[in-house]
Amino acid sequence: QVQLRESGPGLVKPSETLSLTCNVSGGSMSGYYWSWIRQAPGNGLEWIGYVYNAGSTIYNPSLRSRVSMSLDTSKNQFSLKMTSVTAADTAVYYCARGVGAADFDSWGQGTLVPVSS
Amino acid sequence: DIQMTQSPSTLSASVGDRVTITCRASQSITNYLAWYQQKPGRAPSLLIYKASTLESGVPSRFSGSGSGTEFTLTISNLQADDFATYHCQQYNPNSPTTFGQGTKVEVK
Repeated sequence: QVQLRESGPGLVKPSETLSLTCNVSGGSMSGYYWSWIRQAPGNGLEWIGYVYNAGSTIYNPSLRSRVSMSLDTSKNQFSLKMTSVTAADTAVYYCARGVGAADFDSWGQGTLVPVSS
Repeated sequence: DIQMTQSPSTLSASVGDRVTITCRASQSITNYLAWYQQKPGRAPSLLIYKASTLESGVPSRFSGSGSGTEFTLTISNLQADDFATYHCQQYNPNSPTTFGQGTKVEVK
């Protein structure tokens, strides 16, 4: 059974770049859409973007100007970079797997990223 | 973007109850809808996709229905393990995927 695990810094300062990596184990990365989804404290879920195939990407239009994602199948991982963060970007960030641009059938445990000076 | 509105926001119920949660889309999404269960401090877990298809391993007391703009998640014979927050998600092609705000099922 596939397992996903997020890793990254525990704290990011305002105006800096948030960087996260998701390590995938127990399954192939080929043929799936790999996503980042976040959940601000007490709020609902917000999709950030997909990376798939050899590195094609689709981003949420509301975040597109600040987000980039990449895929490294040789390391079984994919990554998120979000620039110019503010306190509004404080959230639990999840990585997830999708069978196409559809539902998400496997999720990481999530990592809380506070944005604070 | 397609807006997803869940109701109610909170639902109080007892073990054994039949529970229904509604999710409405701001425009037709055919059957491109999924439901997730989320417990405190945990990631969401997929319950249903394509509006009514049960994910493997999910108990049969969970069911989904609907098409177009109105969808329901029903839990028949609510169990103690089912007290959680439930989210709907639309994945209509050519639109950014979006989630509802969540429905918390709490102990009455």
